[in-house]
Amino acid sequence: DVVMTQSPLSLPVTLGQPASISCRSSQSLVDSDGNTYLNWFQQRPGQSPRRLIYKVSNRDSGVPDRFSGSGSGTDFTLKISRVEAEDVGAYYCMQGTHWPLSFGGGTNVEI
Amino acid sequence: QVQLVQSGAEVKKPGASVKVSCTASGYTFTTSSITWVRQAPGQGLEWMGWISAYDGNTNYAQKLQGRVTVTTDTSTSTAYMEVRSLTSDDTAVYYCARGGRGPDYWGQGTLVTVSS
Repeated sequence: DVVMTQSPLSLPVTLGQPASISCRSSQSLVDSDGNTYLNWFQQRPGQSPRRLIYKVSNRDSGVPDRFSGSGSGTDFTLKISRVEAEDVGAYYCMQGTHWPLSFGGGTNVEI
Repeated sequence: QVQLVQSGAEVKKPGASVKVSCTASGYTFTTSSITWVRQAPGQGLEWMGWISAYDGNTNYAQKLQGRVTVTTDTSTSTAYMEVRSLTSDDTAVYYCARGGRGPDYWGQGTLVTVSS
């Protein structure tokens, strides 16, 4: 099974400053169809997860453009260009290439 | 708009089974799939399994194989997830979500508490 490793576990941030979360997979996430199925989810306290990014770098509708995803192969990054108070919560990467699918352990973003 | 509405909270004794439902609306159910994810108290997200609403194909997390079954009822656009032989380790919020490789819309979650 593919293991997804996120770092850091906890990320103290300053409002208005950038933040970055790393996600590494134990195998390449490039699928036989040429796509790389790497997603990023945000979970605010007490809420259901919300998808922010799919296929490495595609932002979902309604997601602020301060969120961006990048990477390839086994190494991926979620960046927040300028952290806002509403960005507090947990962030998870998830791979959708190899069955069974799997999530990273999560990163808690706190002000 | 796409909505996934899950059944209410459950309290079960160890050894019992639980079946959680997830009713979809706002899209054609059989054109997509449903993913099930759970989250133990204070823990991260755990991928449990997936079912295609088109042809009923399934895939399960290895650690849950044999104890979890996911099904769909296309006549009511509802997906079900059953967990058998419950232990305290199964206490969690259970989520359904639309899609497989990148679930986009999520249900509100169902709290399942296993306690004697």
